[in-house]
Amino acid sequence: DGGITQSPKYLFRKEGQNVTLSCEQNLNHDAMYWYRQDPGQGLRLIYYSQIVNDFQKGDIAEGYSVSREKKESFPLTVTSAQKNPTAFYLCASSIFGAEDQPQHFGDGTRLSIL
Amino acid sequence: AQKVTQAQTEISVVEKEDVTLDCVYETRDTTYYLFWYKQPPSGELVFLIRRNSFDEQNEISGRYSWNFQKSTSSFNFTITASQVVDSAVYFCALSRANDYKLSFGAGTTVTVRA
Repeated sequence: DGGITQSPKYLFRKEGQNVTLSCEQNLNHDAMYWYRQDPGQGLRLIYYSQIVNDFQKGDIAEGYSVSREKKESFPLTVTSAQKNPTAFYLCASSIFGAEDQPQHFGDGTRLSIL
Repeated sequence: AQKVTQAQTEISVVEKEDVTLDCVYETRDTTYYLFWYKQPPSGELVFLIRRNSFDEQNEISGRYSWNFQKSTSSFNFTITASQVVDSAVYFCALSRANDYKLSFGAGTTVTVRA
């Protein structure tokens, strides 16, 4: 079955530590996205990538970094500069050049501070 | 700037009641796309429906129906004869032409009690 796999499901971060969230898709989608979800605030875009080796900042990129070395993979690193990392993180993908097409989402990673 | 407002934070109903979720959007674009997503307790977002700004035809799909009115910038969603499995958070989202970013509303939590 095609889909998006996020891992781990739960992640704990110590102060000053960088952590990396994994996102893999086998939908052959060109575009991939990272969102952060906080209670009562909906989803906010962190970073997105339309093609391999290219990515753009979203609305709340500070304290986060990404890479896109492979079409299938779009890992997100939450750096120590992100002072309030506790949230639910969702990865999504979509067909490139089709902004009218829905984004497909993974099951999410819940990040907490130890 | 785009904005999506879901004024209802929580809705609680008894099974078999109808539920209508409100969504009001703001955009200066003439071409845009509207989406509804469902987020069950498991966390992933499930795509429900998409409408483009040129298609005001309302639709019924099983127990779901949508009412898109450009004159009032609204894209409301109704669940008829609700079931316990409909309990979830529902998000309305907006994207513009040539832009792959989705702007989400804050979500409406629907609880259907048996």
